[in-house]
Amino acid sequence: AQSVTQLDSHVSVSEGTPVLLRCNYSSSYSPSLFWYVQHPNKGLQLLLKYTSAATLVKGINGFEAEFKKSETSFHLTKPSAHMSDAAEYFCVVSAPGTASKLTFGTGTRLQVTL
Amino acid sequence: EAEVAQSPRYKITEKSQAVAFWCDPISGHATLYWYRQILGQGPELLVQFQDESVVDDSQLPKDRFSAERLKGVDSTLKIQPAELGDSAMYLCASSLGPTGELFFGEGSRLTVL
Repeated sequence: AQSVTQLDSHVSVSEGTPVLLRCNYSSSYSPSLFWYVQHPNKGLQLLLKYTSAATLVKGINGFEAEFKKSETSFHLTKPSAHMSDAAEYFCVVSAPGTASKLTFGTGTRLQVTL
Repeated sequence: EAEVAQSPRYKITEKSQAVAFWCDPISGHATLYWYRQILGQGPELLVQFQDESVVDDSQLPKDRFSAERLKGVDSTLKIQPAELGDSAMYLCASSLGPTGELFFGEGSRLTVL
């Protein structure tokens, strides 16, 4: 079985400050991990994915995430938040070698203030 | 850029009524998924198709939900009868194959009164 836990349901940052969204995973094998973003009333968009290559993964819009096996974590970061980053972010796990069979976390709502 | 199309975007219905959602995947995508996202939660898989065949419907409430993809292209998800607890966003996604990256549509938001 596999699962992800998003440690914060809501994160608020000021524009221009760093973003950290935390995710821990549980898997009986080496998983594939993803971050998806969902803007209000929109579908989900893939931000980045880890599939056992480099542990530091760079995604779109300046986001990146680091896979830490010893900590079973896959936290999402961005050096400087922009107003357009306000959205819901989902940490997602799947079985290795596949981008399907996705198990979603409960989401973290990112608020960006002026 | 190719997109997954869904309709309707919004649907309000009364309980016990029938409701249907339609999805047109990206051209050439053999795998199609329907997810349900309850407010405040992450999406959960309802059904997965490979071409016209169902490969996973273990989480589909089969007493009231049905899904079909008759020609292996577009798909319809039906609920009959709708219940209050069915209020949610219904997301369709597609991928080239069963291990490929998923591309999501904008979803159909259902409100059951």
